[in-house]
Formats: sequence, C-alpha cells, structure tokens
Amino acid sequence: GAVVSQHPSWVICKSGTSVKIECRSLDFQATTMFWYRQFPKQSLMLMATSNEGSKATYEQGVEKDKFLINHASLTLSTLTVTSAHPEDSSFYICSARVTGTGRSGNTIYFGEGSWLTVV
Amino acid sequence: AQSVSQHNHHVILSEAASLELGCNYSYGGTVNLFWYVQYPGQHLQLLLKYFSGDPLVKGIKGFEAEFIKSKFSFNLRKPSVQWSDTAEYFCAGGGSGNTPLVFGKGTRLSVIA
Repeated sequence: GAVVSQHPSWVICKSGTSVKIECRSLDFQATTMFWYRQFPKQSLMLMATSNEGSKATYEQGVEKDKFLINHASLTLSTLTVTSAHPEDSSFYICSARVTGTGRSGNTIYFGEGSWLTVV
Repeated sequence: AQSVSQHNHHVILSEAASLELGCNYSYGGTVNLFWYVQYPGQHLQLLLKYFSGDPLVKGIKGFEAEFIKSKFSFNLRKPSVQWSDTAEYFCAGGGSGNTPLVFGKGTRLSVIA
C-alpha cells in the first residue's frame, strides 16, 4: 500500500529555536498533504492543508507565521515550528491522499508522526 | 460544516466479547467514511473505508462497519475482540477531491483477559 514517511520521529529542542519536520510520500505523488496535531489522549486536529507549488491553507486559530509549511515538490511537504515554546510540544502527523482507483485509491494515508518536545 | 462524532469515550470489554463502536457524521455532500486504529505508541492505520456501494464494509483484522444513511451512522463492529485489539479507534469523514478528513474524538478500547 501507499506509504507516507515522516522525519524525525522524535525531536527535543530548546525554547526559542525552530524545528523542521518532513513528510514524504514514498511511492506516489501527492499534490495535497495535510498536517494534523494530536495532544495526548485527544483526537487529531487539522492544522493546515499543504498544496504543492502554492501557499498552504491554515485552519482557524493556527498561526501561519509560527507553523511554516512548504510543499516544494510532489513528494515532500515540510512543517517548520518557528520560535518553539513548551506549549508547542505535541504529536504532529502528516497525511496524503492517494488518488485514482485500485486498492489504495482515494484513501488518505498517514505518516508515523513526529513527537516534538520543547524544553 | 461537516462533523464526525463518536459516542463512546472509553470501552472496556473482555476477550471474545462483541464490539460495536458508534460513529455519526454530519455532511451535506458526498461522504467518504473511514475507521482508523492507533495502537499504543504507533501511528494511525486504516481499518476500512466506505465510498459507495455495499453499505456493509469489511476491513482488516476482522472488523466491519455498516453505513446507514438514514441514521447518519457508520458504526464499527467486531464479533469477538482480542487483547491485541486494545487501541484508540478513530472515525473520520471527508468529501472527495482534496478535502481533508475530519476526525471524531476517538474511542479507547481496552480488552481484558
């Protein structure tokens, strides 16, 4: 099946620094990827929709200047948490939709997630 | 606006018991529905999906779900749970094209021996 990979899986950073998380579609092209955030014992909350070659679409309440999203190619989207603070500590998950028919078609697949801890 | 709601926050079952997790959706257009499972410390995995056709959908690991349009429901079922089914289960829905999924709050399933 389709595979979406995130890197890094775990990252610890100091308050005030920036952290970049990568999301790759390994065996398909994704014009659109989605970034979610999951707090412990809570559901996934959509942060933004990442569109290849254009600006991301952010959900209400998500600071676009703090959570920079770049989708420079059809297989890579990056999320950069700028000037991170402890309250940004969370589990960040990306996903991408496989289009077309077939067993994997029209299904959104998720990356493994990235744990961010800001100290 | 589209929304997905899961009724049960935490379900505790004994092994071999039958499972049914509720999911209701609210969506004005074409609806695609999914059930995902998240085992402790792992990422989301797709259990099953419904787009159209037969409303009874069979997924992996013995799970199935039934789409009942009149009730706006897409409940997940398994006739006999195992200890290894202990996980968080998320119902999600979304339209076609490049619209994102909207998730329910999740249901934690604990299976005890």
